[in-house]
Amino acid sequence: QKEVEQNSGPLSVPEGAIASLNCTYSDRGSQSFFWYRQYSGKSPELIMSIYSNGDKEDGRFTAQLNKASQYVSLLIRDSQPSDSATYLCAVGGFKTIFGAGTRLFVKA
Amino acid sequence: ETGVTQTPRHLVMGMTNKKSLKCEQHLGHNAMYWYKQSAKKPLELMFVYSLEERVENNSVPSRFSPECPNSSHLFLHLHTLQPEDSALYLCASSQDPGGNLGYGYTFGSGTRLTVV
Repeated sequence: QKEVEQNSGPLSVPEGAIASLNCTYSDRGSQSFFWYRQYSGKSPELIMSIYSNGDKEDGRFTAQLNKASQYVSLLIRDSQPSDSATYLCAVGGFKTIFGAGTRLFVKA
Repeated sequence: ETGVTQTPRHLVMGMTNKKSLKCEQHLGHNAMYWYKQSAKKPLELMFVYSLEERVENNSVPSRFSPECPNSSHLFLHLHTLQPEDSALYLCASSQDPGGNLGYGYTFGSGTRLTVV
């Protein structure tokens, strides 16, 4: 059974701080990895994808991948109250597997 | 209409009813999915259609029946559901059925289903 594990949180950070969200996965053969953001009452939206070891930056977001450790993370710099949401880690392949998500609160 | 459209947004049905959820994608994607999202649980993959062929049925009870008449439309037919089937049902589409090219999914807004 392929699994994706995330700390459910909530993770609370002050406005302007760096929020760090982490994820581990069980299938060592996984090739692609995704972060989705889900606001309360809304559907998930894709914010980042990564498939090479190292860092990938997109604006205030940085995804980090370490395949040897089977670890994916998402850093949000200069966190804003509008970043408050649940962040879902997903491991791709023909059947994308999702983690249960980490709730992030950014305090103004 | 753009993106992925799901109807209805909310549905309340009795255990003896028959209803259908509809999903339409306007993105030219060639794979469509049904996921179930229950509180505090990961999204559960239900069905995968690639190029209109069902290629995955993830041990879903037969009271859920998918239909994909073409690459833009996906239905989920419901009958004799149980209260534990109450959840958010999400449709998604992708241009990358293999899931390894990094494109990810585009989700619809979901149907909030309550079985009474």
